[in-house]
Amino acid sequence: DTAVSQTPKYLVTQMGNDKSIKCEQNLGHDTMYWYKQDSKKFLKIMFSYNNKELIINETVPNRFSPKSPDKAHLNLHINSLELGDSAVYFCASSQIPTGAKSSYNSPLHFGNGTRLTVT
Amino acid sequence: AQKVTQAQTEISVVEKEDVTLDCVYETRDTTYYLFWYKQPPSGELVFLIRRNSFDEQNEISGRYSWNFQKSTSSFNFTITASQVVDSAVYFCALSEAANAGKSTFGDGTTLTVKP
Repeated sequence: DTAVSQTPKYLVTQMGNDKSIKCEQNLGHDTMYWYKQDSKKFLKIMFSYNNKELIINETVPNRFSPKSPDKAHLNLHINSLELGDSAVYFCASSQIPTGAKSSYNSPLHFGNGTRLTVT
Repeated sequence: AQKVTQAQTEISVVEKEDVTLDCVYETRDTTYYLFWYKQPPSGELVFLIRRNSFDEQNEISGRYSWNFQKSTSSFNFTITASQVVDSAVYFCALSEAANAGKSTFGDGTTLTVKP
């Protein structure tokens, strides 16, 4: 059973196109994320949704729009793709504490990544 | 603001050597969580260990061990008797309880274990 699955695995497209990446998790987690990993392997958070509500929105261009139809799905739509968008995009999920302080914070469970190449 | 520094960009060792990967973090929160993840050449990100800020007990899992020291804000990772399969990029990450949901990653350390 795949815990966090994202599709497609590879995405090659031309500048200016619009593309989407889908992500689904079957772990019952309430929080999902999108991370971007650039060519130097740096991992940066882009968005986070908790129970379909946006809770983290880093400084990401407006061309990137996440959509969470339910807490098990978080899709990423990218408009007007640019060369600099080429990267590996990772979806992840976790269970975060409901209170301000908690003794538990689950680790991130990542999908296998989507390698986006913009030509 | 939370920050993680992995000063070692690349490390190369010969099989069976011990190797320590350093991680230094910054946070203003008193409750936080530290993680290590492994990214092998195949590309997936695999969780290795989680530590709470109020639990400084070191941990050993097979050839892996972790040394958490709040006094120096460090969470170092040691691989004993390294193997070629340990070759990967290793990431240290920090998540603050007050900023629940946001994990900040270090820049990663690329470990190469040569036969």
